[in-house]
Parts: sequence; C-alpha cells; structure tokens
Amino acid sequence: GEDVEQSLFLSVREGDSSVINCTYTDSSSTYLYWYKQEPGAGLQLLTYIFSNMDMKQDQRLTVLLNKKDKHLSLRIADTQTGDSAIYFCAERRRGSTLGRLYFGRGTQLTVWP
Amino acid sequence: EAGVAQSPRYKIIEKRQSVAFWCNPISGHATLYWYQQILGQGPKLLIQFQNNGVVDDSQLPKDRFSAERLKGVDSTLKIQPAKLEDSAVYLCASSSGQNSEKLFFGSGTQLSVL
Repeated sequence: GEDVEQSLFLSVREGDSSVINCTYTDSSSTYLYWYKQEPGAGLQLLTYIFSNMDMKQDQRLTVLLNKKDKHLSLRIADTQTGDSAIYFCAERRRGSTLGRLYFGRGTQLTVWP
Repeated sequence: EAGVAQSPRYKIIEKRQSVAFWCNPISGHATLYWYQQILGQGPKLLIQFQNNGVVDDSQLPKDRFSAERLKGVDSTLKIQPAKLEDSAVYLCASSSGQNSEKLFFGSGTQLSVL
C-alpha cells in the first residue's frame, strides 16, 4: 500500500470550512507538511508541523497531528474559490534530507461559489 | 525575489529520443532537487545536489537519466533514451539549506513521450 494516503477529492461551498485528511505509516516521521499545487504550477509550501506538536495554527489554516494514529489533517477556515487546488501531504522521516519527502497522491479541493 | 526558473515549459518527443531540461534555482540557494511527478501522484525525488556535488541519487534511473550542476548554480536533467513511462512533469526545487524546512518549486517541464 501507499506510504502516505489521502482522499482524492473534496468539494465545499465558499465560506465553509474544508478538512483534508492524511494518514502515514512511518512512526519515525520528524516533520509533516502540507503543500498546495495550482494548475500548471509547482508546489507551494503551506505549512508544516514538527512531530512533537499536536496542533499548529496559521491564519486560516489549522494543522492537527495525531501521532498515535499517524493521522494528519489540514483545516481551511472560510474557504475561498482561490483555495481550489491540489493539496499534498508529505512526511520527512528520521535521517532523511529535506528533499527526500514521501508525498501522498494529493487531494483535489474544489470550492463552489 | 525571483523564483525557480525552468525551461522548456512543455516538451513532446518520441520514444527512444533524448531530451534535456534546465533549471535555475533561487539565487544563493545551495541545494537543488529534481523531482518526477507522474499524473495523479505526488512528486518523487530523483536527485539532490548540494552546491555541485550529488547528495542523493538513489532513485535516479541511471541507465537513462543523468543530471549535472557543474558550477553549483543551474542544472540540467537529461533522459536518453526516453521511454513511454517517462511521461511526467519534471519539477526542480531549491532550498537555502540554512535551518529552513521550505522547498521552493519551479513550475515544471511537462514531458510527453509518444
């Protein structure tokens, strides 16, 4: 199976909250990341969390980490049409360099006006 | 600041042909990465450079892929000969390497092998 799993699609109405979920398998993960990819563009780092934290908030973004269940989520408050994109969860394992990240397949977020 | 520049934006070739991609990282970034992103998947690291030296090329198919960063600035990735399964977006990224967790990605080169 995949090392990092995400649901493929999520649709929400503008102004609602979006929650994108991710599960990973390696308990040695040190950092977990959320990247955003808009059509025809490269990935943009949204936020990341260190494995000894359980929550991180950054403006409209809230990351929750349940290390016991190896579950990561990204909540986007007051979702806007500009948030429509693919969101990738990624993990960095102990001993790995920054570039050796394990990415999920991405969740396509569609925001309806 | 200028972002990571990549060219060409698109490339269509036939199988068994050769192709090369170019990347210019953000000025001053010592670390440069090449990723392969197959449609519907997340990026996979192919090779990582620190200045002009290779740090990690364990996932680079060395029988057909090669990469260089001779002067420690820009880089080229080559495929020779290409196979159908090489169709993907090739992303370049860079990082400052100074206690930062941030990778800066270029827009990528979309390769179609027919």
